[in-house]
Amino acid sequence: IAGITQAPTSQILAAGRRMTLRCTQDMRHNAMYWYRQDLGLGLRLIHYSNTAGTTGKGEVPDGYSVSRANTDDFPLTLASAVPSQTSVYFCASSDSGQGQQFFGPGTRLTVL
Amino acid sequence: SQQGEEDPQALSIQEGENATMNCSYKTSINNLQWYRQNSGRGLVHLILIRSNEREKHSGRLRVTLDTSKKSSSLLITASRAADTASYFCATVDPGTYKYIFGTGTRLKVLA
Repeated sequence: IAGITQAPTSQILAAGRRMTLRCTQDMRHNAMYWYRQDLGLGLRLIHYSNTAGTTGKGEVPDGYSVSRANTDDFPLTLASAVPSQTSVYFCASSDSGQGQQFFGPGTRLTVL
Repeated sequence: SQQGEEDPQALSIQEGENATMNCSYKTSINNLQWYRQNSGRGLVHLILIRSNEREKHSGRLRVTLDTSKKSSSLLITASRAADTASYFCATVDPGTYKYIFGTGTRLKVLA
């Protein structure tokens, strides 16, 4: 059982380019989340999905979009990357939406 | 910001000592959770305490919750070098099910 996986592990991206970060879970969890983590700011929620087919905005959604076509996958897209989106991105899932979250290993993204 | 606050931001102790870190939050909650993050890794869930509980234990971890003060504390007893990590509290907004993480406490346990 892999749990929750993210790809790529790291990426350097030119500003203005489009990028999709992938997240897949094999636990059949209903809820999935995307966070960014910046030094001194903890984790900030970008977007979330309480169940397949639905998504919601978190604390810092601007510049990002998500989709939840099925239970397992929750990709995060940066339509036109900017340097302020340089960060470490974590995907997470939970079964109930209020219980324990399971985190992926993260994607380190640098936008130049 | 809806984020909670951990206190202290950083803590350095000797192996064998106890480590206490505190968390304050702003909204009503159904539960409060503590997570651990080793450098560069994803967060790992440690313990969950429900809003109707005041104290919970798990191995060397002890968590307290005071909903009247909107605060929680995490105590790690008999610390080990392997406990060196960042620790985060998280609450869940009962209306939206959004998780709100604190800014974390960086714990360093010296061997």
